[in-house]
Amino acid sequence: DTEVTQTPKHLVMGMTNKKSLKCEQHMGHRAMYWYKQKAKKPPELMFVYSYEKLSINESVPSRFSPECPNSSLLNLHLHALQPEDSALYLCASSQGEGRPREDTQYFGPGTRLTVL
Amino acid sequence: AQKVTQAQTEISVVEKEDVTLDCVYETRDTTYYLFWYKQPPSGELVFLIRRNSFDEQNEISGRYSWNFQKSTSSFNFTITASQVVDSAVYFCALSDWGGSEKLVFGKGTKLTVNP
Repeated sequence: DTEVTQTPKHLVMGMTNKKSLKCEQHMGHRAMYWYKQKAKKPPELMFVYSYEKLSINESVPSRFSPECPNSSLLNLHLHALQPEDSALYLCASSQGEGRPREDTQYFGPGTRLTVL
Repeated sequence: AQKVTQAQTEISVVEKEDVTLDCVYETRDTTYYLFWYKQPPSGELVFLIRRNSFDEQNEISGRYSWNFQKSTSSFNFTITASQVVDSAVYFCALSDWGGSEKLVFGKGTKLTVNP
């Protein structure tokens, strides 16, 4: 089973709202990722968690706040977003460090976010 | 620095035609991984294949085949007898031996298969 689930599928929020995106995997993976994808562009890496610790932050604005409550869950908390933050947000997971031969990122279906 | 170039922005074919998607990469690493992902209109990135830099064997999976040539730094993807369901954006990606924490994506090729 290579399934990564994401909720919600669609989200519309105002610039003053606080919302969260959720991602879950049950493959025993120890690395989880958030990507942002604008239309007609490749995904851009935002954050990487390895063994539940933040290992990479690609200079993402603080209005995006990631959280990894446990090895299966990854959240992205959103606050005071701008209209230009509207995009598809993709979550991915992989086996993580120590197993490079098996390290493939598997992606979820994404959350389409619209900021009004 | 690592770089992936997918020179074909859009390709349109008629069903049952064969189509090849090109991918050229640049890296200073001697060991690395190459990937292909498919992104249908629904949005999910679907993993298709991972190839290690030391394994130059071509691979075939049903109607899909991949040609990896280190000499030309290319990892091309061919769909034989294309179908409408193959319509999607296809991304080629590269990562180094340390793992796939950082995937360097190409800009993608949008394939449209017309009935």
